[in-house]
Amino acid sequence: EVQVLESGGGLVQPGGSLRLSCAASGFTFVNYAMTWVRQAPGKGLEWVSSVSGGGGSTFYADSVKGRFTVSRDNSKSILSLQMNSLRAEDTAIYYCAKDLSYGVVTPQELWGQGTLVTVSS
Amino acid sequence: EIVLTQSPGTLSLSAGERATLSCRASQSVSNSHLAWYQQKPGQAPRLLIYGASSRAPGIPDRFSGSGSWTDFTLTISRLEPEDFAVYYCQQYGSSSGTFGRGTRVEIK
Repeated sequence: EVQVLESGGGLVQPGGSLRLSCAASGFTFVNYAMTWVRQAPGKGLEWVSSVSGGGGSTFYADSVKGRFTVSRDNSKSILSLQMNSLRAEDTAIYYCAKDLSYGVVTPQELWGQGTLVTVSS
Repeated sequence: EIVLTQSPGTLSLSAGERATLSCRASQSVSNSHLAWYQQKPGQAPRLLIYGASSRAPGIPDRFSGSGSWTDFTLTISRLEPEDFAVYYCQQYGSSSGTFGRGTRVEIK
């Protein structure tokens, strides 16, 4: 079965760090760019970051640039998002998604169920 | 950064009616890199349309997309009960994947 499954969410204090992971299965991971999208409670979707299939190209929303780092381990089919200097406004469900193709940002055709990150003291 | 404005915010219709959703970009979207997603409560989004008018695999043909440059439309020809949801447009390819704020299609 083709799927992606997020993990690593939880409660963290402002200024803290958290690392999200996304395990992919059922498709050739290296052939597709991958993306993180988040959704604050009761709000709309916000694109966060994307990484190309080979991992050499990464892209970030201005709201997270310099604080978040996206990476992938193609040998293990795992996507990661390292989140540092977390703020209350980073509180959201974080979705991992498989893009339509390998290269630059493309639409997200397969989504996980999301992992909740709560930033609060 | 391209800003996407979706209208209306809420669309109240009955099953069987036609739904027309608009997405307007603050500047031209290159190569019609515009996608539409559907999201139901408690679920992840689902890709409906990409490239402004291409249906994703498994999407019924009552969903269609059109438009170019700065004006795009998602049309649902005849609403089914399962189509009542929130719809988002997204521009992609310019090193970002900005979403609009969404249109809620609710039962009248």
